Amino acid sequence: NAGVTQTPKFQVLKTGQSMTLQCAQDMNHEYMSWYRQDPGMGLRLIHYSVGAGITDQGEVPNGYNVSRSTTEDFPLRLLSAAPSQTSVYFCASSYSARHGYTFGSGTRLTVV
Amino acid sequence: GQQLNQSPQSMFIQEGEDVSMNCTSSSIFNTWLWYKQDPGEGPVLLIALYKAGELTSNGRLTAQFGITRKDSFLNISASIPSDVGIYFCAGQTQGGSEKLVFGKGTKLTVNP
Repeated sequence: NAGVTQTPKFQVLKTGQSMTLQCAQDMNHEYMSWYRQDPGMGLRLIHYSVGAGITDQGEVPNGYNVSRSTTEDFPLRLLSAAPSQTSVYFCASSYSARHGYTFGSGTRLTVV
Repeated sequence: GQQLNQSPQSMFIQEGEDVSMNCTSSSIFNTWLWYKQDPGEGPVLLIALYKAGELTSNGRLTAQFGITRKDSFLNISASIPSDVGIYFCAGQTQGGSEKLVFGKGTKLTVNP
């Protein structure tokens, strides 16, 4: 079992560029989430999904889009990268939030 | 939105000492979770709590679900160097939402 796989691990973007952060899980989890982690700010929810075809906004959704066409994949799109989006991004999945989410190892993104 | 106040923000202790950290909220939570994040990795679930007053152990770790359902505590006994990392509390709110709210974390440093 690979668990939650995130790619790439590191990325540098120029302001205004777009990109997609990939996330895949092989545990058949219905629930998936994207978080960003900034120093002193903890983990903040960007978007989440309760199943294929269903997504909703979290605490800090501006500048990000998501889609969930399959149970396994939950990509995060940055439409026009800004320096404020420099952060570490974590994808997580769960069969029930009550039992906790399993996290990927993160994507470290720098926007210059 | 709901917030979790986690304290202390950081701790510097000697190997062998016991550690206590806590998380409080103005909202009632149905579930409390405690995670640990090693440097460069995603958070990993340590303990899950489901009932007010519940006390649960995982090795040298003990966590409690506060009786008011608005707080939780994590204790680490006889700390060792590998306990270094960031500890996060997380809560699932009433209403069955599959979202988790995270605290800002407690960064633990253990001096050998």
